[in-house]
Amino acid sequence: NAGVTQTPKFRILKIGQSMTLQCTQDMNHNYMYWYRQDPGMGLKLIYYSVGAGITDKGEVPNGYNVSRSTTEDFPLRLELAAPSQTSVYFCASSARQGGGISTEAFFGQGTRLTVV
Amino acid sequence: DAKTTQPTSMDCAEGRAANLPCNHSTISGNEYVYWYRQIHSQGPQYIIHGLKNNETNEMASLIITEDRKSSTLILPHATLRDTAVYYCIVRADRGSTLGRLYFGRGTQLTVWP
Repeated sequence: NAGVTQTPKFRILKIGQSMTLQCTQDMNHNYMYWYRQDPGMGLKLIYYSVGAGITDKGEVPNGYNVSRSTTEDFPLRLELAAPSQTSVYFCASSARQGGGISTEAFFGQGTRLTVV
Repeated sequence: DAKTTQPTSMDCAEGRAANLPCNHSTISGNEYVYWYRQIHSQGPQYIIHGLKNNETNEMASLIITEDRKSSTLILPHATLRDTAVYYCIVRADRGSTLGRLYFGRGTQLTVWP
């Protein structure tokens, strides 16, 4: 039972490079989220999606882009990496119940990104 | 913005109950109280949630005050593996903020032998 899978687990980027953080879930969840966590801090919401083809900004979206072409996948794109984007990135998903209620979120194990 | 206030750190002896408090004085009528924990920088793990009634599951109990302005997460018999950062989060299950979780810094719980 894989749950939420993130790849890669670790990555070092040079300033100005781009990369895509992959996230896939096998629970058929409608809702997916991307968070970042800086050292000693709580998680900050970057982007979220309520279903395929629908995405919206969270608290800290600048410097990132997302797409949601399928229910399973929710990749996060960094176009021009900056040192301020050094962080741990978590993807999460939750199910949509009747009446639009969201269940609890399940998180992946994170991608540790360093920009130098 | 995180709408909760938690102590920065707490400790507890192994085998004893750990009681983690949370203040959420501005909670709205349609907002639930959720608790997650994060063990050593792994992905956060769901523990329990509630609206206004006390809740219990295999991991913990959640006690919510009658005015809903505060709550306590209880780990009845803490073990060393319960050492983690515990996050108390208020979240609407309907409406424009549907499903989104806003994390504060949480409480670092250390369980000692």
